[in-house]
Amino acid sequence: AQSVTQPDIHITVSEGASLELRCNYSYGATPYLFWYVQSPGQGLQLLLKYFSGDTLVQGIKGFEAEFKRSQSSFNLRKPSVHWSDAAEYFCAVGAGYQKVTFGTGTKLQVIP
Amino acid sequence: EAQVTQNPRYLITVTGKKLTVTCSQNMNHEYMSWYRQDPGLGLRQIYYSMNVEVTDKGDVPEGYKVSRKEKRNFPLILESPSPNQTSLYFCASSLLAGSSYNSPLHFGNGTRLTVT
Repeated sequence: AQSVTQPDIHITVSEGASLELRCNYSYGATPYLFWYVQSPGQGLQLLLKYFSGDTLVQGIKGFEAEFKRSQSSFNLRKPSVHWSDAAEYFCAVGAGYQKVTFGTGTKLQVIP
Repeated sequence: EAQVTQNPRYLITVTGKKLTVTCSQNMNHEYMSWYRQDPGLGLRQIYYSMNVEVTDKGDVPEGYKVSRKEKRNFPLILESPSPNQTSLYFCASSLLAGSSYNSPLHFGNGTRLTVT
């Protein structure tokens, strides 16, 4: 069975600083990988997805993620964080037939 | 506007009193699913449906029921709620596209349920 680990429960960054959120997955085949963002009081919104091809994928709101098969990782990055990026971020792996496993989430706090 | 609509947003009830949380999507998606979100546990799948009249258990189905009589609606039923079902619930939908069915999910805004 697949699994996802987000080792950082909570991260605080200064506005304008760079951001990297870590995600490690376990899956026996080629994974389908997703990052979702949950703003307070909202549902989850897709930031980006990786299915195949270029290992560096671009998403919405200036986010990008890099798939590294050798490290079983799919880390999310943003070069310059804005206060509106404060939210909870979930990494997820898809195993076909919409069987999606989510990580436990990383809460991002942005300080002025 | 394409969306998944859940109602109610907040619900407080007592143990044993049957309740239904509604979910509707206007995107003609085949796939619909219910998740519960608990601190430190992420999202866990309760039930899902691949199409009308086709439903199946997810990872934590105990104490829940669902039905899919119409493509757009996928209600979650708690026949006899208990305090351990206090949680934040999300409905999601997606197309079943491609050979492996890994389409992104579209989520509702959540229902916060408290069972006392």
